Amino acid sequence: QKEVEQNSGPLSVPEGAIASLNCTYSDRGSQSFFWYRQYSGKSPELIMSIYSNGDKEDGRFTAELNKASQYVSLLIRDSQPSDSATYLCAVLERADGLTFGKGTHLIIQP
Amino acid sequence: DAGITQSPRHKVTETGTPVTLRCHQTENHRYMYWYRQDPGHGLRLIHYSYGVKDTDKGEVSDGYSVSRSKTEDFLLTLESATSSQTSVYFCAISESDTSYNEQFFGPGTRLTVL
Repeated sequence: QKEVEQNSGPLSVPEGAIASLNCTYSDRGSQSFFWYRQYSGKSPELIMSIYSNGDKEDGRFTAELNKASQYVSLLIRDSQPSDSATYLCAVLERADGLTFGKGTHLIIQP
Repeated sequence: DAGITQSPRHKVTETGTPVTLRCHQTENHRYMYWYRQDPGHGLRLIHYSYGVKDTDKGEVSDGYSVSRSKTEDFLLTLESATSSQTSVYFCAISESDTSYNEQFFGPGTRLTVL
């Protein structure tokens, strides 16, 4: 059974600092990796996609993928209170749906 | 929400009654998915569709059926609702079945089965 593991948190980070979120996955056949942000009572919002080893940067967000070690991470630079949310790691092997981690609850302290 | 609507947004029903949730998209995407989200379990795939009248089961499909008669609509039916099906249900859509399968979520339906 495919598994995606995340630290549930809460992870507390001061405003302006770097937030680091980590995710490990069990299925070596996984091809695509995603980070979603979910505010309380809202639906998941896609913020990053990464498909090959290395880093991908988009604004204040950087995703890192290491397929050999089976982990993917998300860095949020210059953290803002509006970044406070639950961050979901998701993994795709084929088009039969995503496997999600349970999410990391991030709190940015003003 | 990427041109995705779900109805109803909230529903309270009683055990044993049938319930149908609707997902409607305006993006003309081929792939549609139903997930449920529960505390302690995260998001889990129920069923998905890869075209009109083409559907398949996900991880937690027992007690659910789906239908897709038009590209834009994907229906999830609970034939006889149980309290264990109390959850938040999300529909998602995707344009492609390749590795670059970005999925976008609808606003969700909160279902309570008493």
